[in-house]
Amino acid sequence: NAGVTQTPKFQVLKTGQSMTLQCAQDMNHNSMYWYRQDPGMGLRLIYYSASEGTTDKGEVPNGYNVSRLNKREFSLRLESAAPSQTSVYFCASRTRRDEQFFGPGTRLTVL
Amino acid sequence: GEDVEQSLFLSVREGDSSVINCTYTDSSSTYLYWYKQEPGAGLQLLTYIFSNMDMKQDQRLTVLLNKKDKHLSLRIADTQTGDSAIYFCAESMAPVNTDKLIFGTGTRLQVFP
Repeated sequence: NAGVTQTPKFQVLKTGQSMTLQCAQDMNHNSMYWYRQDPGMGLRLIYYSASEGTTDKGEVPNGYNVSRLNKREFSLRLESAAPSQTSVYFCASRTRRDEQFFGPGTRLTVL
Repeated sequence: GEDVEQSLFLSVREGDSSVINCTYTDSSSTYLYWYKQEPGAGLQLLTYIFSNMDMKQDQRLTVLLNKKDKHLSLRIADTQTGDSAIYFCAESMAPVNTDKLIFGTGTRLQVFP
């Protein structure tokens, strides 16, 4: 039982490049989330998916798109990366008791 | 609006108790959580408290909830160097929105010998 896994762990992009961050969970959870973490700002919700086939915007969705490919996988795409998207990105999934399990994070730098 | 506030830093001596405080705004929250983030890692759930409880104890951890003041605290007894981390409180938006947690900014706990 691996929990929540994320790939890649690190990524450096140039402004304007695109990339997809991958997330998978093996706990059969319905809800999955993408957050970004910036110094002094805590965790901010980008997008979430309450179930397979549905996605909703969070607090900071601009510049991102998501896909809930199946119950296990929830990907985050940056179509045209900007320096303001330099951050640490966390994926999470949720139990019925609202507890969220987090992946180890992806550290993204946009030059 | 939804807002969870924490102080940014706390420094304590090894063996002392640490108290990390949090204030939240949504009185309808069902669960409140404490997460720990070690350097370079994701968040791990430490403990949680249901909103109809005042206190919960789990080994060295004690959570106190004051619903009237919307204040949550985490006390770590006999703090160790391994407790050095960032601690986040979070509130569930249930029952209004069971899908979202609102996180505080995090408190960086530094434990010195």
